[in-house]
Amino acid sequence: GNSVTQMEGPVTLSEEAFLTINCTYTATGYPSLFWYVQYPGEGLQLLLKATKADDKGSNKGFEATYRKETTSFHLEKGSVQVSDSAVYFCALSGPGNTGKLIFGQGTTLQVKP
Amino acid sequence: EAGVAQSPRYKIIEKRQSVAFWCNPISGHATLYWYQQILGQGPKLLIQFQNNGVVDDSQLPKDRFSAERLKGVDSTLKIQPAKLEDSAVYLCASSLLQGPYGYTFGSGTRLTVV
Repeated sequence: GNSVTQMEGPVTLSEEAFLTINCTYTATGYPSLFWYVQYPGEGLQLLLKATKADDKGSNKGFEATYRKETTSFHLEKGSVQVSDSAVYFCALSGPGNTGKLIFGQGTTLQVKP
Repeated sequence: EAGVAQSPRYKIIEKRQSVAFWCNPISGHATLYWYQQILGQGPKLLIQFQNNGVVDDSQLPKDRFSAERLKGVDSTLKIQPAKLEDSAVYLCASSLLQGPYGYTFGSGTRLTVV
């Protein structure tokens, strides 16, 4: 079945460092791919999405490219801030495009000043 | 616009007791989801409603979990009887249309079963 695998955390970086969080997926068909972020005490928020191969999603300095050949959707940011500290979830749309999302296990990012 | 409202925010119960969670989606959102997020894992869909009909409940443990969506608006999720492994955050989300886009998540209810 469809599934998502993320790199294990926590990831600890200094402010202004480069961030990569790896995400790979297994899916039938052509799912849409998402990154969600969960700040402490808050609900999940959509960070960015890509709906087809080679699409690049971007928001707030984060970006990820839908790579069908490597079944990957890695999240990157050139210069992280303390305020980026959160849990990041990679997700894909379930079969049949009913609305179901299938999430990875989440990666905790801690950014130190 | 107001977000997705959930209550209670926290709940602690003993095993074998029952518990209910409430969700009020964004006004006009036809699709409502309940997800279970166990500590250290990503959210897992329990049930999806389109208006007041069930679209997907394939991962809902129906021997102990039940859910309903009254008049296609508010929804309640019930667990009876609770087990230790039900300790998790229960997230409600809604979207205007059926599909993986336009989700808004609530802040969740954290359940601890002791």
